[in-house]
Amino acid sequence: DIQMTQSPSTLSASVGDRVTITCRASQSISSWLAWYQQKPGKVPKLLIYKASTLESGVPSRFSGSGSGTEFTLTISGLQPDDFATYYCQQYNSYSPVTFGGGTKVEIK
Amino acid sequence: EVQLVQSGAEMKKPGESLKISCKGSGYSFISYWIGWVRQMPGKGLEWMGSIFPADSDTKYSPSFQGQITISADKSISTAYLQWSSLKASDTAMYYCARRSTSGYWYFDLWGRGTLVTVSS
Repeated sequence: DIQMTQSPSTLSASVGDRVTITCRASQSISSWLAWYQQKPGKVPKLLIYKASTLESGVPSRFSGSGSGTEFTLTISGLQPDDFATYYCQQYNSYSPVTFGGGTKVEIK
Repeated sequence: EVQLVQSGAEMKKPGESLKISCKGSGYSFISYWIGWVRQMPGKGLEWMGSIFPADSDTKYSPSFQGQITISADKSISTAYLQWSSLKASDTAMYYCARRSTSGYWYFDLWGRGTLVTVSS
């Protein structure tokens, strides 16, 4: 299986900060990567797919980049509603779907 | 409204069997794969397996193969996840999720989750 490693596991930030989360794959997954946001007690929400395509309705302060084995999720201008845990997920067609371990974005 | 509605929370004892459900509505349920995702308390997301309701083609994660059974009844637009003998370590929230309408293996629609608690 392809292993997905996210860093950091926890991130402390303030409203208005630019935040970057990294996700690394154990082998190349081209651009087959999605990002989800999950708030406590809530359902995961799709933010980005194909590494950089924003899901409909997701604010433009969220952006994704990368290909191959290294990917980033950036939040430009952190808002109070953005404090949550973020997960990456690879969907390379030749391997079972796997998620990263998550990055919790906390209020500094 | 396009949605996946999951069955309610369950409290079971070790060794008991369980089948939880996920009913789709507002879209062509048989046309899109449905996946099951486990989230243990305080932990991350784990894909367990998926089913294509039109023909019940099923894929399992190697980590869950043999431990669970995924099925579907297309006549009532419902997918199921079942265990024959629960363990305390099966305590978790279980989400069903639809594979994206684009045909790629990310999940664009999620159920609200079914909390399963296994305790003696």
